[in-house]
Amino acid sequence: DIQMTQSPSSLSASVGDRVTITCRASQDISDFLAWYQQRPGKVPQLLIYAASTLQSGVPSRFSGSGSGTDFTLTISGLQPEDVATYYCLRSNSAPWTFGQGTKVEIK
Amino acid sequence: EVHLVESGGGLVQPGGSLKLSCAASGFTFSSYWMTWVRQAPGKGLEWLANIKHDGSAKFYVDSVKGRFTISRDNAKNSVYLQMNSLRAEDTAVYYCARLKYGSSRHTDDWGQGTLVTVSS
Repeated sequence: DIQMTQSPSSLSASVGDRVTITCRASQDISDFLAWYQQRPGKVPQLLIYAASTLQSGVPSRFSGSGSGTDFTLTISGLQPEDVATYYCLRSNSAPWTFGQGTKVEIK
Repeated sequence: EVHLVESGGGLVQPGGSLKLSCAASGFTFSSYWMTWVRQAPGKGLEWLANIKHDGSAKFYVDSVKGRFTISRDNAKNSVYLQMNSLRAEDTAVYYCARLKYGSSRHTDDWGQGTLVTVSS
């Protein structure tokens, strides 16, 4: 099975900072990569799909990049409402796999 | 507006069975793949299973293969997860989600989840 390694597991940043989260696949997954945000106690919400396409309604400070094995989620200007755990999801072939998650906090 | 409502969770003894349901509305259910995802308390997300829009294809994660069965009834706009031989490690919130399956594959809308607790 293809493994996904997400890093870091947690981070603390100041409001307005640029935040970067990465996911690495153990083999080429093309652009079958999505990013989700899960605020505390809430249901996961889709942010990015096809590695770099912003889901409708998601603020433009969120962006995704990458293809093949290395992917990045960037928050350009962290806001208090961005406190959440972020997950990547690999979906090129079954079984699909989520990354381990990155918990983002405000410093 | 897409609406997904899970039901059927609860407390079950190890080795027992439970069937989860997910009622869908607000979209043409029979045109979409559906999926189940779970989240153990304080843990991350785990993809469990996908089912094609007509039920002709199903995929599972190894940890539930042979124990869990995903199914759907397009006449009732519902997807199901039959869970047998339950273990303590199956304790989790179970979410159903709508799948976009094409040139990209991702879930876009999720239900609120239903809690399954496996304990004696």
